[in-house]
Amino acid sequence: EADIYQTPRYLVIGTGKKITLECSQTMGHDKMYWYQQDPGMELHLIHYSYGVNSTEKGDLSSESTVSRIRTEHFPLTLESARPSHTSQYLCASSEPGLVQETQYFGPGTRLLVL
Amino acid sequence: AQKITQTQPGMFVQEKEAVTLDCTYDTSDPSYGLFWYKQPSSGEMIFLIYQGSYDQQNATEGRYSLNFQKARKSANLVISASQLGDSAMYFCAMREGGSQGNLIFGKGTKLSVKP
Repeated sequence: EADIYQTPRYLVIGTGKKITLECSQTMGHDKMYWYQQDPGMELHLIHYSYGVNSTEKGDLSSESTVSRIRTEHFPLTLESARPSHTSQYLCASSEPGLVQETQYFGPGTRLLVL
Repeated sequence: AQKITQTQPGMFVQEKEAVTLDCTYDTSDPSYGLFWYKQPSSGEMIFLIYQGSYDQQNATEGRYSLNFQKARKSANLVISASQLGDSAMYFCAMREGGSQGNLIFGKGTKLSVKP
């Protein structure tokens, strides 16, 4: 089972601020993901990475950006936060390979932009 | 078209009884995997159970079992002997073998266990 961490858990911030949501995993998984989830709704993939120096956009268009300089670290950045960015952001990781590849999730960051 | 359909927005079950959460899927890929996750109110996603398209037997993990009916394209989650701690959102997800491997999630079912 993966150990995957997200900070902060909760963030309240004003419009226009730059924010970075941190995600780290200790299992050496190559693949990592960011999902956006509104309360009570389904998860939408916004970014993923196959490994170091790899970043891809997901199914849901997002104004956020990601980077993958180290295997264990996959931060998400919003250059200028807006109220429409208010949501929960979930990070996950997996070891790619078979169809059975299981994604393990972090605890999430709940973002509120005022 | 929805690839994963969960038709029950909310379900109630009495403590200690069994409950079935429905999930149907749509794919033309012969190789795929089906997953169930639990999301408590705290927000984290907890992996529960996996079923592969070529698996001959239904998957089981403790009180969780997956009723896999391939011809009907359904992968229902059965929770036996419900506990108060089972109250949560439950998401069904699919990975298609021919894809980049990303999961597609359903809209979820909110399960409430009554004492």
